[in-house]
Amino acid sequence: KAGVTQTPRYLIKTRGQQVTLSCSPISGHRSVSWYQQTPGQGLQFLFEYFSETQRNKGNFPGRFSGRQFSNSRSEMNVSTLELGDSALYLCASSLALEKTQYFGPGTRLLVL
Amino acid sequence: EDQVTQSPEALRLQEGESSSLNCSYTVSGLRGLFWYRQDPGKGPEFLFTLYSAGEEKEKERLKATLTKKESFLHITAPKPEDSATYLCAVQAPNNDMRFGAGTRLTVKP
Repeated sequence: KAGVTQTPRYLIKTRGQQVTLSCSPISGHRSVSWYQQTPGQGLQFLFEYFSETQRNKGNFPGRFSGRQFSNSRSEMNVSTLELGDSALYLCASSLALEKTQYFGPGTRLLVL
Repeated sequence: EDQVTQSPEALRLQEGESSSLNCSYTVSGLRGLFWYRQDPGKGPEFLFTLYSAGEEKEKERLKATLTKKESFLHITAPKPEDSATYLCAVQAPNNDMRFGAGTRLTVKP
């Protein structure tokens, strides 16, 4: 069974730009969560989607948004990028909201 | 506020030298406690899920245990390939997942 895939794997942007990251969950998984990982803050929860609805949201500004499609694939968008948005963005999928999450390889975003 | 604290921050072991990693948590109504392994530049790899105090799970050289306030990840006779960062996460009743900062394990041959 294929694992969680994320595209692109690496991205370089400049301040003020916006970026869209994509995540394809494990087949059959309906829940997708997004996390930001930085050396200083560790893994921080961004949001979780289930059946195309945002079910949970972390403490991040409104510049961070996401959506889920009917095939469970998900995208997250960051607008007006700041230097501090440089991080590894991880997507995790699970069968349902309370089940074990399986992570993708991440998208490394560098904001210059 | 729900908190997850992992200790030590870093651990250096000789190959074959057994040890334990700690994850202490404060969350009411724990739904689950998760252990992951993360290699540099990669996403976390799932290891174990524990749901209730007294539960234990094993996989190769790893054994995870859970009490009402903490979890231990015991590593028996580690090998260099066990070197990684080990992350602990707790799931609250509202399905919030909160991760600890991790323990960076280095096993020297």
